[in-house]
Amino acid sequence: KAGVTQTPRYLIKTRGQQVTLSCSPISGHRSVSWYQQTPGQGLQFLFEYFSETQRNKGNFPGRFSGRQFSNSRSEMNVSTLELGDSALYLCASSLGASLSYEQYFGPGTRLTVT
Amino acid sequence: DQQVKQNSPSLSVQEGRISILNCDYTNSMFDYFLWYKKYPAEGPTFLISISSIKDKNEDGRFTVFLNKSAKHLSLHIVPSQPGDSAVYFCAQGYSGAGSYQLTFGKGTKLSVIP
Repeated sequence: KAGVTQTPRYLIKTRGQQVTLSCSPISGHRSVSWYQQTPGQGLQFLFEYFSETQRNKGNFPGRFSGRQFSNSRSEMNVSTLELGDSALYLCASSLGASLSYEQYFGPGTRLTVT
Repeated sequence: DQQVKQNSPSLSVQEGRISILNCDYTNSMFDYFLWYKKYPAEGPTFLISISSIKDKNEDGRFTVFLNKSAKHLSLHIVPSQPGDSAVYFCAQGYSGAGSYQLTFGKGTKLSVIP
């Protein structure tokens, strides 16, 4: 079974631009969560989607948004990029919206904002 | 203020000895705890979990201990192997109202010396 895939793996953007990252969950998984990893803050929860609905949202500004499609694939968008948005963005999928289901992480998208 | 704290950014252990990674939390309402391991250029992988109704959970060389009164959990790896060298993240989980959220610590980098 294929794992969680994230595209692109690496991205360089300029301050003020916007970016869209993509996540394809494991086949059959309906829950997708997004995390931001930075050296200073560790892994921080962005949002979680289940069946195309955002169920939970972390403490990030409105510039960070996401969506989930009917095939469970998910995208996250960051508008008006700031230097501090440089980070590894991780996507994780699980069968259901419960901690009893194990989360499987993708390799991440490394975003660099210059 | 961080809800999940891993106060040791790094730890070095000799091969064959015990590795003890520590984690403190502040919010007792979140009742599920997980440990993840992360290698460079890969997403985190689930290692072991424990719910608050237990004080110990064991899986092979990995044991997690939960001390609710001290709001502290620890991961023991016995015996430590060079392949265990990675960053270990402690996470606290909230599950309810059809959604879930994980709050991660900043991670501890474990180096197992052959």
